[in-house]
This record gives sequence, C-alpha cells and structure tokens, in this order.
Amino acid sequence: SQELEQSPQSLIVQEGKNLTINCTSSKTLYGLYWYKQKYGEGLIFLMMLQKGGEEKSHEKITAKLDEKKQQSSLHITASQPSHAGIYLCGALHISNFGNEKLTFGTGTRLTIIP
Amino acid sequence: DGGITQSPKYLFRKEGQNVTLSCEQNLNHDAMYWYRQDPGQGLRLIYYSQIVNDFQKGDIAEGYSVSREKKESFPLTVTSAQKNPTAFYLCASSIVRSTGGSFYEQYFGPGTRLTVT
Repeated sequence: SQELEQSPQSLIVQEGKNLTINCTSSKTLYGLYWYKQKYGEGLIFLMMLQKGGEEKSHEKITAKLDEKKQQSSLHITASQPSHAGIYLCGALHISNFGNEKLTFGTGTRLTIIP
Repeated sequence: DGGITQSPKYLFRKEGQNVTLSCEQNLNHDAMYWYRQDPGQGLRLIYYSQIVNDFQKGDIAEGYSVSREKKESFPLTVTSAQKNPTAFYLCASSIVRSTGGSFYEQYFGPGTRLTVT
C-alpha cells in the first residue's frame, strides 16, 4: 500500500550485529503494530505503539513511534538466528468518517548469517 | 490453550470450484477478519465481522463470501468468481474497541495456502 512504506524489503545481517527496520505512513498513525512471520505461517504479535514518542522493548527488540506519529522503527540488538523471518508493520488509520482501518506493509525479510 | 485454528493448512482445488476455508477461535473475541497475502504484497483485508450475524466487505471482497453464525467461527468461501484465488489466507481475531477506548492487537491463525489449478 502506498499509504504505508516499509524498508528495507530484505536485510541480510551477520549474527550479533544490530539492525533497524522502518515503517513510514503518509497519514497520521493512531496505532502501529509490529508482527513477525515465519514463511508460510501466521503472524506473531510483537508490539503495539500508540503514543507519539512511545518506545517498547521485548527481549532484544525495541520499537519506537516518532513524535509526529507517522513513522516507526524496529531495532534488533545483537541479532540471533531466531530473529530471522519476515517483519510486518500494521498501521491503524482513522478516516474522516471515523472508520478504523488497519493497513499492512509489504514486510521486511530478515536473514541472519552465522 | 486459547488461539485461532485454520484448516486445512494446504488446499488444492480445480478452477471453477468453490472452496471454504475454516477459521475457529476460542479467545472469546467479537471481531474476526480474513486477509489474503500474496508474494511482495502486504496483507489485504477481504472481509471482517465485529458481531455475530454481521460482516462487512474489506478492500478485496469480490469473489469471496463469509458467514458469522457463531462467535467462534468465521468461514470464508472462495467462489469461482474470484479470478486469482491462489494465495495464502490468514484469519485473525481481536477484541472490539469501545468508543474512545484502547486499540487492541489482532491475533492471527496459522494460515491456509490455497492452490487453484
């Protein structure tokens, strides 16, 4: 969706290195969800951010929603093979009519090499 | 254990046949969703339901139909009218947000890969 851009599309990182994935919206975000997906499987919920400037961490994964609430970043510290997979961001937008809509990015495929 | 189940994991059909994908949840969630995932594209919403016996079209509802007779179940039928049915289908559920209340995450099932030849 052009409303939501996720970058990079793919990432190959050596084990132990840090990495960042970005998710940028053309509209104000009312909520930003990060999910992880193994190929051919369902999505696993990681974190949800709602407030500008909010930052959440889970183990070695940290996500932040910028102050203007139109961009989020996912940062992995000291990457491990278990971090490999596809990371998707989901952006919650609210229309002028008050309709809530969750739009997903195209995903970032993360490969960890030993 | 609470969760969402989808069956079967793999499904093969001949072109022109309707096929129904199952989705069951025991999380006591009011809202349920169906998404389609294609390579290089994000998830696209097909249908969603926030209450029993009611559902709304998503962004790509053409060629699909759903029913919501029970809170726990939200089956998706891929009809012969769907031009490109081969895809990975994901079902999700969530708590319905109250007015002015917090937003909730969607929980996803393991998916069904449908191949139509």
